[in-house]
Amino acid sequence: GENVEQHPSTLSVQEGDSAVIKCTYSDSASNYFPWYKQELGKGPQLIIDIRSNVGEKKDQRIAVTLNKTAKHFSLHITETQPEDSAVYFCAASGKRGANNLFFGTGTRLTVIP
Amino acid sequence: DAGVIQSPRHEVTEMGQEVTLRCKPISGHDYLFWYRQTMMRGLELLIYFNNNVPIDDSGMPEDRFSAKMPNASFSTLKIQPSEPRDSAVYFCASRTGLYGYTFGSGTRLTVV
Repeated sequence: GENVEQHPSTLSVQEGDSAVIKCTYSDSASNYFPWYKQELGKGPQLIIDIRSNVGEKKDQRIAVTLNKTAKHFSLHITETQPEDSAVYFCAASGKRGANNLFFGTGTRLTVIP
Repeated sequence: DAGVIQSPRHEVTEMGQEVTLRCKPISGHDYLFWYRQTMMRGLELLIYFNNNVPIDDSGMPEDRFSAKMPNASFSTLKIQPSEPRDSAVYFCASRTGLYGYTFGSGTRLTVV
């Protein structure tokens, strides 16, 4: 099955700085890569996703890049704010596409005011 | 839209007891997923349904786990008998179309 690795496990940045989280995956057939934000006591919330036919996608302060050749994708958050503090998960689709997501182990992001 | 609704939010039970977790998906969503989250294993897919029919239950850890979806607005995940290693947060998620899950707030299960 798919194996998704995520780094770093924890990340602290000053407010206003950028944060980058990186993931690698093993199955070259994966074609859907969502990112989720999980706040304390809540379920994961989809913040951005990318499909394999594009290399980059942006949504305001959040961007995701995908390198299919190297099998890695990254989340970039610019101008970080304290409310960005949360655990972020990457995921990659398995053999059943988006019906079977394999999640990374999570990155705890702390934005220091 | 109330989102995906799970109950209870917290459940503490003794080993050997039956536990039933409940989920109400978003109206109109035709896929429903049950995930389990632990520190050791992260988020794992247990089972998913399409139009109330179980499609893939290969993630269900043992026969002690069972899931049903009697109609489009309700699903249950049952553990019988429960064991301490079942302690985790169990999430239900639903979606329609090809992408974009919506997760519920989860049920934190503690088996003592």
